[in-house]
Order: sequence, then C-alpha cells, then structure tokens
Amino acid sequence: AQSVTQLGSHVSVSEGALVLLRCNYSSSVPPYLFWYVQYPNQGLQLLLKYTSAATLVKGINGFEAEFKKSETSFHLTKPSAHMSDAAEYFCAVSGMEYGNKLVFGAGTILRVKS
Amino acid sequence: NAGVTQTPKFRVLKTGQSMTLLCAQDMNHEYMYWYRQDPGMGLRLIHYSVGEGTTAKGEVPDGYNVSRLKKQNFLLGLESAAPSQTSVYFCASNNRPDGYTFGSGTRLTVV
Repeated sequence: AQSVTQLGSHVSVSEGALVLLRCNYSSSVPPYLFWYVQYPNQGLQLLLKYTSAATLVKGINGFEAEFKKSETSFHLTKPSAHMSDAAEYFCAVSGMEYGNKLVFGAGTILRVKS
Repeated sequence: NAGVTQTPKFRVLKTGQSMTLLCAQDMNHEYMYWYRQDPGMGLRLIHYSVGEGTTAKGEVPDGYNVSRLKKQNFLLGLESAAPSQTSVYFCASNNRPDGYTFGSGTRLTVV
C-alpha cells in the first residue's frame, strides 16, 4: 500500500531557529501533498498544499514546503520558529495511487523552546 | 457558511453501548470520509463514501458501520462500543483530490 512517512515523531527547536519537518511519500506518480497543523484540543488547519504547480509552496504563518520528485519528499520549513508554532503537524497525500483518498502520516509534534 | 458540521462534539459511552456520529456538509460534495485520530498514529480512514447511497471500507473499519442515505449526511455508527474505540473522530468531504474540508471533530471516550 502507498504510504506517507514523517521522520521524527517529536522535534524540538529553539525560538528563532529553523524549523524542518520531514515528509516522504511512496508514489510513482506525483501526488497531491498537504501539510496540516493541529493545536492542542483543536481541529485540523491546512498550512499549504502542492497540486502540481510551483514546486516551492508557500503557506500560512510563514511556512513553506518544497516538492522534490527525485527524493519523493515534501519537507516543511520555517526560517524562524515562534512559540506559537508549537503544535502537531501532519503530512498527507492523495491522488490516483492512493485511491483518491487522503492518507496521513503519523504526525510530528513540534516543541519550541524559549 | 457552515462547511462540515459534526455532532456531537463530545461523548462518553459505557462499554457495550451504541451511538451514531453525524457528519453534515453543505457544499454539495460527492465524497465523504470518517477518520479516527489516535496518538502517534495520525488520522486513519475508517469508512468513506463516493456518493449518495454508497459506502466503502477504509483502513480500520472493524466495529463501525456507516450510512449515506442523503448526499449531505454521512453517519458513523458504533453498535457495541469498546474502550479501543476511544478516539477523536473527524469527518471530511470533497469533490476533488486536491482539496478536503474537515469538521471540528468528535471526542469519544468509552469507559
């Protein structure tokens, strides 16, 4: 079955440091790719998505992600972490090879240290 | 502009009780989905529907049933709740694979 892998269930960064959350997918055809954020006891919020246009996608709250077909990756970055970025982040994929259903990674909890 | 509405938002059940979670969307979406979220496991697909009157199994369907009698509603049923079904449940809908709308979730505890 096609899968989505998020490397690192927990990531800790200092305030002001670079945020890098990793996501790899398994698909021979470029899929649709999404990053969602979930704050404690809240629902899912879409950060950004890749839909075969520009490979560098900019999202809300200063986040961006780059689609790299050769690496089957869609890593999420933010140049400078804020305390308010502490949350859980989910990478998700859909497309023909995923039965046109949205498949989620296991999630990465981001901790931001002051 | 409600989007996807889930009811109830919270529920506590005793083992063996039954209940139905309701998902309603007002965007005329063809496809609807039920997910469960558990720590460290992301969101896993329980059941989904590709149109009114259709349902299909997802990754973790055991212990759940669903119905889509009306296009705008997708019901998730637990016939005999078990503690392993303690989770947060999310409903989603869409018309295209490049965009999904999620409900705000239902937190279910089975004691």
